[in-house]
Amino acid sequence: EAGVAQSPRYKIIEKRQSVAFWCNPISGHATLYWYQQILGQGPKLLIQFQNNGVVDDSQLPKDRFSAERLKGVDSTLKIQPAKLEDSAVYLCASSLGSGDRYEQYFGPGTRLTVT
Amino acid sequence: QKEVEQNSGPLSVPEGAIASLNCTYSDRGSQSFFWYRQYSGKSPELIMSIYSNGDKEDGRFTAQLNKASQYVSLLIRDSQPSDSATYLCAPHTGFQKLVFGTGTRLLVSP
Repeated sequence: EAGVAQSPRYKIIEKRQSVAFWCNPISGHATLYWYQQILGQGPKLLIQFQNNGVVDDSQLPKDRFSAERLKGVDSTLKIQPAKLEDSAVYLCASSLGSGDRYEQYFGPGTRLTVT
Repeated sequence: QKEVEQNSGPLSVPEGAIASLNCTYSDRGSQSFFWYRQYSGKSPELIMSIYSNGDKEDGRFTAQLNKASQYVSLLIRDSQPSDSATYLCAPHTGFQKLVFGTGTRLLVSP
């Protein structure tokens, strides 16, 4: 079974530029998550999708971050314009999204450096 | 009070010893708990899940849960240098959502 795919793996941009990340979840997983992980901290949830609907985006800085999951499969996360403090690893995870199984599986992440 | 508290470490243990990693959480409604291992520069990897009070063993790993005390732990027996990583505790908080602690860094010396 293929895992969660993410691209790109690394990205370096200047502040005020824009960037987009892509995620393809495990096949059949209805729930998709985007996390931000700053060095030395645990992953922080940015947005959660159930199929193609948003379940929770309370911690997404909506003035600069946006995300979509068209057709309920893959997803993109965009930052525009980027700030220095956006330097972090952006992790995508997926889970079955049904029953009482809540395990989440992570992709390899995208390491973003904003200069 | 933080939702999930873990000692950041590093926790240093010699090879072959038992490593004990602890986690406390604030949401009394949490019913399911997960431990993730994260190697430096890598993404978190699920290693254990526990749903009921008591112990759950999987190979060298044992997860222990005490819901009354809002405490969950992970024991690693016969620790190996390859176990050196950060271990993240993640209670389920509802709506298919996990909240992550900051993690405990484990160092196993040969």
